[in-house]
Amino acid sequence: DIQMTQSPSSLSASVGDRVTITCRASQGISNYLAWLQQKPGKAPQSLIYAASSLHSGVPSRFSGSGSGTDFTLTISSLQPEDFATYYCQQYLSYPQTFGQGTKVEIK
Amino acid sequence: EVQLVESGGGLVQPGGSLRLSCAGSGFTFGLYAMHWVRQAPGKGLEYVSAISSNGDNTYYANSVKGRFTVSRDNSKDTLYLQIGSLSADDMGVYYCARVDWRACSTTSCSSDLWGQGTLVTVSS
Repeated sequence: DIQMTQSPSSLSASVGDRVTITCRASQGISNYLAWLQQKPGKAPQSLIYAASSLHSGVPSRFSGSGSGTDFTLTISSLQPEDFATYYCQQYLSYPQTFGQGTKVEIK
Repeated sequence: EVQLVESGGGLVQPGGSLRLSCAGSGFTFGLYAMHWVRQAPGKGLEYVSAISSNGDNTYYANSVKGRFTVSRDNSKDTLYLQIGSLSADDMGVYYCARVDWRACSTTSCSSDLWGQGTLVTVSS
């Protein structure tokens, strides 16, 4: 199975901050990477697919980049509704695997 | 409204079984492959199973192979997951998710729509 490793596991940030989360795959996955957002007690929501393409309705302050093994999710200006846990997910092959999550908390 | 709604979770004894359902609405359900993903309490996401749009092809994670069965009834716009021989390791929220045909490799696709989840509790 492809292992996905996110860093950091958690971070504290203020509204308006620029936030970057990284995700590393244990082998090359081209751009077959998605980013998900999950708020407490809620279902995941898909933010980004193909490493950098935003799903419909996702604010433009979210962006993704990377290819191969190293990927980043950036929130350009953190908003109150962005405090959540973020997961990366590879879909190159089965089983699809997820990073362990990055919890973004209010400083 | 385009949505997925899971049901069928509940309290089950170790070794028991349940059938989870996922009803789709607001889109042509039969055109989409579907995934099941689960989340243990306080833990991350774990991929469980997939089924093709017509039900002919399925995939199971090693952790559930032989104990879980995925199926669908496109006439009812409903996806199912029969889960059995349950243990505490199977406890958590089970989500269904719709495949995003824009986001596919040669073997697998990401998701664009998730249900709200149904909770499975395994306890005597």
